[in-house]
Amino acid sequence: EDKVVQSPLSLVVHEGDTVTLNCSYEVTNFRSLLWYKQEKKAPTFLFMLTSSGIEKKSGRLSSILDKKELFSILNITATQTGDSAVYLCAVSGASGSRLTFGEGTQLTVNP
Amino acid sequence: DSGVTQTPKHLITATGQRVTLRCSPRSGDLSVYWYQQSLDQGLQFLIQYYNGEERAKGNILERFSAQQFPDLHSELNLSSLELGDSALYFCASTLGVAGTTDTQYFGPGTRLTVL
Repeated sequence: EDKVVQSPLSLVVHEGDTVTLNCSYEVTNFRSLLWYKQEKKAPTFLFMLTSSGIEKKSGRLSSILDKKELFSILNITATQTGDSAVYLCAVSGASGSRLTFGEGTQLTVNP
Repeated sequence: DSGVTQTPKHLITATGQRVTLRCSPRSGDLSVYWYQQSLDQGLQFLIQYYNGEERAKGNILERFSAQQFPDLHSELNLSSLELGDSALYFCASTLGVAGTTDTQYFGPGTRLTVL
């Protein structure tokens, strides 16, 4: 059974801080790892990672995958209050496109 | 806006009842996925349809069923509702079964409350 573990479960920081969110996984025939941001509504797509060592960037957010050690990190630099959300990590594997999600990391950015 | 639509936004009903949740995928997407998100269980995959056919089943109860219609919209039917079925139900869509991208775009969700 595919499994995704995220840490920390909760994180409170001040504006301007840099945060690193962790995601480790166990999946049969790994296909991809995805990061989503969820505020008080539906998850919104951030990144999809399929290859090790290639950093994906979008503004202040970046993510990288290590397929040997089976983990990914999501970095957010110069955090803003608008970054406050639950960040979800998900993997797809042999089961096809369906995603297995981690519990999420609740990030709170205080002014 | 992901392009995935779901109705209704909120649904309040009583135990033992039956409800139908509706989802329209993004234009051109053939695959529809249903997920349940509850406070204690996180996001759980329920079922996937591709071009009208069931492709994968997850943690879907026997009281729940789904279908995808020729116009590609999908419905999730929940029957004999129990208090524990209260949750957010999301629909997501992608182009293929396990196609060129696994990126799934989520609808806004239907919040079901069972009293």
